[in-house]
Amino acid sequence: ILNVEQSPQSLHVQEGDSTNFTCSFPSSNFYALHWYRWETAKSPEALFVMTLNGDEKKKGRISATLNTKEGYSYLYIKGSQPEDSATYLCAFEETGGFKTIFGAGTRLFVKA
Amino acid sequence: ETGVTQSPTHLIKTRGQQVTLRCSSQSGHNTVSWYQQALGQGPQFIFQYYREEENGRGNFPPRFSGLQFPNYSSELNVNALELDDSALYLCASSSDLDRAGAGELFFGEGSRLTVL
Repeated sequence: ILNVEQSPQSLHVQEGDSTNFTCSFPSSNFYALHWYRWETAKSPEALFVMTLNGDEKKKGRISATLNTKEGYSYLYIKGSQPEDSATYLCAFEETGGFKTIFGAGTRLFVKA
Repeated sequence: ETGVTQSPTHLIKTRGQQVTLRCSSQSGHNTVSWYQQALGQGPQFIFQYYREEENGRGNFPPRFSGLQFPNYSSELNVNALELDDSALYLCASSSDLDRAGAGELFFGEGSRLTVL
């Protein structure tokens, strides 16, 4: 059974704080790792997709890194803003698979 | 470009009833995946349809079934509803043309099912 674990489950930070989350996934048969951002009452939106070990992606204040050999990815948010409050989901695709397997998410609350 | 739309947004059913949820995929997308998100969990894969055929299935019983139509829209049907079926059901579309680069999923806002 493929398992994708995310930590922490939830996080409360002050505006301006930098923060990071972890996603752990199987290190074998890796194909791709996705990060999605999901705001309340909206649909999940893709942030990044990473396919190569050592990949680093950046979008504004948000960045992500990937280590496929040890099976983890970090998502970083620099200078958190209240609008960053959302659930951040990571999702794993394995080689030859047809499904994307999601973690339970990290719920971020940013207080102004 | 039209995004993924799902209907209904909310519905309430009783145990034993049947429900049909609908999804219109994003323009140009030929693959639809359905996910169930129960409280406190991540989205769990139910099944995927590609060009009107079921392309893979997660760990859900046969009373969860689906269809994909020639226009690539899709339905999720659940028979003999149980209390544990209460969840948010998400539809996501993608294109097989993206497969070479790993397929980004485009989600709808979901259908919230409550089973009493």
